[in-house]
Amino acid sequence: AAGVIQSPRHLIKEKRETATLKCYPIPRHDTVYWYQQGPGQDPQFLISFYEKMQSDKGSIPDRFSAQQFSDYHSELNMSSLELGDSALYFCASSLGGERANEKLFFGSGTQLSVL
Amino acid sequence: KQEVTQIPAALSVPEGENLVLNCSFTDSAIYNLQWFRQDPGKGLTSLLLIQSSQREQTSGRLNASLDKSSGRSTLYIAASQPGDSATYLCAVRSSGGSYIPTFGRGTSLIVHP
Repeated sequence: AAGVIQSPRHLIKEKRETATLKCYPIPRHDTVYWYQQGPGQDPQFLISFYEKMQSDKGSIPDRFSAQQFSDYHSELNMSSLELGDSALYFCASSLGGERANEKLFFGSGTQLSVL
Repeated sequence: KQEVTQIPAALSVPEGENLVLNCSFTDSAIYNLQWFRQDPGKGLTSLLLIQSSQREQTSGRLNASLDKSSGRSTLYIAASQPGDSATYLCAVRSSGGSYIPTFGRGTSLIVHP
């Protein structure tokens, strides 16, 4: 069965550079969530989209932006990268929006290292 | 604001033991609770989803229970195996305010042969 696909798998950037992370949800899933997980930390919610509209916002820095496209894939754009942005970035998808009683399925994550 | 705590933070056991991992949450008005497994540097694999109206869910050697009124869920792993070594996280979706799942910090499990 198709899973959530994230690319790239690993990304190394310098401080102040920009990065774009991509997420392709499970087919037919209309809801995408982005989480950030630092070493030894629990995943922290960044932002979510339902039917191509932003549905909720968490602790996402102003330097970051995201969108969901017509094919439901989502991109997280990160600018002016800082050392503290180094983390594992997960995308999850589900069906029916945040209020639906559906499982979340996670991708394998993008490991971002800022040097 | 929902807060999720997992105890113990780490666990090391010999193969074959039956295990109980705990997850507690502060706001009992929840939508559902989902248990995940995470291998080092990898993504989260969904194990079990319990709806607020359910008391437990089972999958193979895994059984998860939910006591909403006391704000607790337990993940029971029967006859543990070395392949069960991973971090186990619970995520709670609250029914008041934001429906975004809130995670605990996980229990890091090592099962040694």
